[in-house]
Order: sequence, then structure tokens, then C-alpha cells
Amino acid sequence: DTAVSQTPKYLVTQMGNDKSIKCEQNLGHDTMYWYKQDSKKFLKIMFSYNNKELIINETVPNRFSPKSPDKAHLNLHINSLELGDSAVYFCASSQGTSDEQYFGPGTRLTVT
Amino acid sequence: AQSVSQHNHHVILSEAASLELGCNYSYGGTVNLFWYVQYPGQHLQLLLKYFSGDPLVKGIKGFEAEFIKSKFSFNLRKPSVQWSDTAEYFCAVGNTGGFKTIFGAGTRLFVKA
Repeated sequence: DTAVSQTPKYLVTQMGNDKSIKCEQNLGHDTMYWYKQDSKKFLKIMFSYNNKELIINETVPNRFSPKSPDKAHLNLHINSLELGDSAVYFCASSQGTSDEQYFGPGTRLTVT
Repeated sequence: AQSVSQHNHHVILSEAASLELGCNYSYGGTVNLFWYVQYPGQHLQLLLKYFSGDPLVKGIKGFEAEFIKSKFSFNLRKPSVQWSDTAEYFCAVGNTGGFKTIFGAGTRLFVKA
């Protein structure tokens, strides 16, 4: 039973394309997150949803758009992909906004 | 603004050596404190957490951390490291009732066999 799952695990695409990454959690948590981890392992929060409401929207290009159809899902859509978008994207969830977070396996995005 | 500082970016130790990784934060209110570990090619997993009570917290795999409120610190320790402890370690701080948990930049630990 995977607690937080992401698809796809790997994504290779060309500049200018539009792609989506999906995330699902079966923990019953009310808060979900998207993080970007660069090649130096620095972990940067992008978005956070609590009960389907956007509560954190860091300085992220508006080419990135999160969507939370329900509390168990948080998807990330990226328009007009750029080389600098290449990174590992992690989804996470927690119960409440200050408790421990459970991370998904990550999606390695490579933009060529 | 809330911030988390991890002093060591890279640490190299031999097996059986003792480990201490520093973590300091800046936030004046009540905090929740975490250490996460990321093994090569894997996702982050919780090592231990502190919310309240005994400031010495024990986690998985023999790790412990001590919360020193006066120093705004939450250092991670292990008395004797193993090769399998090679990983990236992240300190994280959340303010109780707040919206955001801040992660430190991470410390890469390499343990020589």
C-alpha cells in the first residue's frame, strides 16, 4: 500500500511542451504539497493545499498550475517547459499544516 | 521571517565514528522540529520529530536529536555511523498552527566503509 504515489516516475520532454504530474495520497490527510528539488538537493516548496484550498503559493512562474480535485489528489501542470524546470518534483501530504510530511517517490523531469 | 540553517553541507566520516549535524532556526514562537533523511535515489523519510516534552528525542536507526530552546537548535546525533547511513539529511521547522514548514538546505553525509 503506497501512502503517497506520483506518476510518472520519469518524464523526459522537449522545451515548450506542456506536461502534468499526478499525486495521490491514501492517508486521509488534509494537506498536500509540491516541492522542487534541484541538482544540489535543495528542497523548495512550490505549493500547498489544505482541504482543497491553496494556502501556499511561493514565487513560482505562472507556467506552473496546481489543481486539487479532492483532498486525496494534487496534480501539477506545467506549461511551456523550460530547461531550468529539469528537477525532481516531490509531492507530500500531512495532517494539518505543521505535522510531519509523507513524501511521494518523486518525479524526475528532464527537459531537453 | 522563518529560516532554517544547516551548518555542514558535506560531512565525510568513517564507519563507527560519531555524528553530529547542526541545525539552527529563527522563529520566536512555538515550533515543531523534524529531521528527514533521503537515501540515494529515494524520497524523504522522517527520522524523528519534536513537538513538546522531553527535549531529547529518539528516532529510528539509532538517531537522536536534542532541542535546545535557548540556542534555537535541534542537532542530530548518532554515536556510531554505518555505511548505510550515507544519505542527505534535512532539518525542518514548522510553526505550530502556521502554514509552512521550512526545510534546511540539507547535509550530505558520506560514510566510508
